[in-house]
This record gives sequence, structure tokens and C-alpha cells, in this order.
Amino acid sequence: ETGVTQSPTHLIKTRGQQVTLRCSSQSGHNTVSWYQQALGQGPQFIFQYYREEENGRGNFPPRFSGLQFPNYSSELNVNALELDDSALYLCASSLDGRGETQYFGPGTRLLVL
Amino acid sequence: QQQVKQSPQSLIVQKGGISIINCAYENTAFDYFPWYQQFPGKGPALLIAIRPDVSEKKEGRFTISFNKSAKQFSLHIMDSQPGDSATYFCAAANSGSARQLTFGSGTQLTVLP
Repeated sequence: ETGVTQSPTHLIKTRGQQVTLRCSSQSGHNTVSWYQQALGQGPQFIFQYYREEENGRGNFPPRFSGLQFPNYSSELNVNALELDDSALYLCASSLDGRGETQYFGPGTRLLVL
Repeated sequence: QQQVKQSPQSLIVQKGGISIINCAYENTAFDYFPWYQQFPGKGPALLIAIRPDVSEKKEGRFTISFNKSAKQFSLHIMDSQPGDSATYFCAAANSGSARQLTFGSGTQLTVLP
């Protein structure tokens, strides 16, 4: 069984740029959730995708957007990067839209200069 | 309303001792309470979880105690080991269609040999 994988592991961008982060869900899982974890803080929910549709969204601006593909992998896109977007971005997969057990990937560390 | 408050921020315990981390919540719509363990450079990993219809759940050295009336829950780590040194997060999920997790701010546990 393959776990949740994310790419890239690290990324450096400058303010105003755009970034795309990728996530492959665990085998058999059709739901992907994205979280932002600032340094020294708990993860904060960005949004969730279930069967290619957005299934819930946290308190993040529209410049945070996502996609889920037919193979249930997912992308997180952030436009107009701000310094405060520097964080660890975590992807978690679960068995279905109401799956309680969420399995996290190792994250992508984004630094915005 | 969505916040989960966690304490202490950091905890130092001797090997073999008991580590206790506490969390409190306000939102009565929460009905699933997991604890996650996170090592540096890794994503959070599910340790143990509880629903509000039980007051205690034990898995190996890890026990969750749940007090529904006080809206509090805690993690007890018995016979703490140096390998348990990590950051621990409590979380809560609501009963909505998207099981988004609301995390506490984390507790950095250090177990001294």
C-alpha cells in the first residue's frame, strides 16, 4: 500500500509569484484535504476535494485554489504569493468524503521571500 | 467557536513517567477527537481517536480521556520513552459533510533518558 506523497519537498518563491503543489493520495482513497501549518502552529484546514469536487473550504482567500484529478491526486495552487504564505503545506487523504481517519503526507515546505 | 485550545505548549518528562496533554473545545458540533503525533520534517500521524459517546479509550501506552460536559479531552502517555519525543496535536472534526479537522496549537514533548 502506497502512502500519501507530496511534491516538491521544498520550494522558494518570491512575493507575487504563483505556486502549484502536488499530492498523490493513498491507494483506494478518493478524498484529499489540504492544510497549512505555520511554524510552531497546528495545521489549518484549507479545503477538501471529494471525487473531483470541492467538498468544504476553510477560511482562506480565493487565491488558494485546488483541483482533484480522476486518479484522485490533487493540486493546490496559490496565486499572488504573500510573505505570510510561508508554511508547511500538508495533504491528507481519506477513504471517502466523511472519512474520519486522515493520513497525512510529509508536506511541502514553502518559503516566500 | 471553531477553536481547540491545547496545553501545555511544552512538556518535559523523565523516561518511564506519565505525559499528560489537555485540550478544550467550544463547538458542540464536534463529534470526533483524534490525537496526532508529528516528528520534525514529517507529516502528522494519527495516534488514537475517540468519539464523545465513550469517556475513555486506550491503545497500548496511549489513553484518551473525554469529558463531554466539560468539553475537554486529554491524552495520557504511560511509561513515556525518549522515542515519544515529538509534537502532539489534538484535533476535532465536526459532523458536516467535510470532515475538516480543527487542530490545537500543539505540545512539544521531550522525554529525558
